[in-house]
Amino acid sequence: AQTVTQSQPEMSVQEAETVTLSCTYDTSESDYYLFWYKQPPSRQMILVIRQEAYKQQNATENRFSVNFQKAAKSFSLKISDSQLGDAAMYFCAYRSRYNFNKFYFGSGTKLNVKP
Amino acid sequence: GAGVSQSPRYKVAKRGQDVALRCDPISGHVSLFWYQQALGQGPEFLTYFQNEAQLDKSGLPSDRFFAERPEGSVSTLKIQRTQQEDSAVYLCASSPYRGSNNGELFFGEGSRLTVL
Repeated sequence: AQTVTQSQPEMSVQEAETVTLSCTYDTSESDYYLFWYKQPPSRQMILVIRQEAYKQQNATENRFSVNFQKAAKSFSLKISDSQLGDAAMYFCAYRSRYNFNKFYFGSGTKLNVKP
Repeated sequence: GAGVSQSPRYKVAKRGQDVALRCDPISGHVSLFWYQQALGQGPEFLTYFQNEAQLDKSGLPSDRFFAERPEGSVSTLKIQRTQQEDSAVYLCASSPYRGSNNGELFFGEGSRLTVL
């Protein structure tokens, strides 16, 4: 089975600064999708950004971007110009291209944003 | 409603009791998923429905767990003879696609179950 590892249980960043959250994964598949989900304290998870493994270009969504290193099986999330509303749990997730019903989530990183 | 609705938000059960957790997905969403999130952990897949058909139940931890979606909309996750290890947040998610085609699942706020 695929495993997703987030080695940073908690991180802090000053408002307006940049922070990078780490994620590594283990798979024998060559075609898959990677995601970052945000879970604010209300517990409703929302999609932040997605990356398709066959695309070499790193995905970006406004202040959020990823650094996807396929050979190293690494998928980090960079948040630029951090805002107070970015404070949340962030989960990295893996999904096979072919078994599209099942996501594998990491254990999460709690991000604190200091004013 | 506009989003995925789950009830109850909080449930306390005595060990051995049966519980039922309800999920009302976004109207028209074909796919519905249940995930279990233990404290300090990421969500773990339980089961998946496409309309009323339960296509994957490989994540259900034991035969005490049962899920249904009889009319292809509202779903119920039932846990029989609850045990302390069942304490977790149960997340429901839906998708307008068959499966989770583009990866965007719409999650509810979850039902927190505490078994004493």
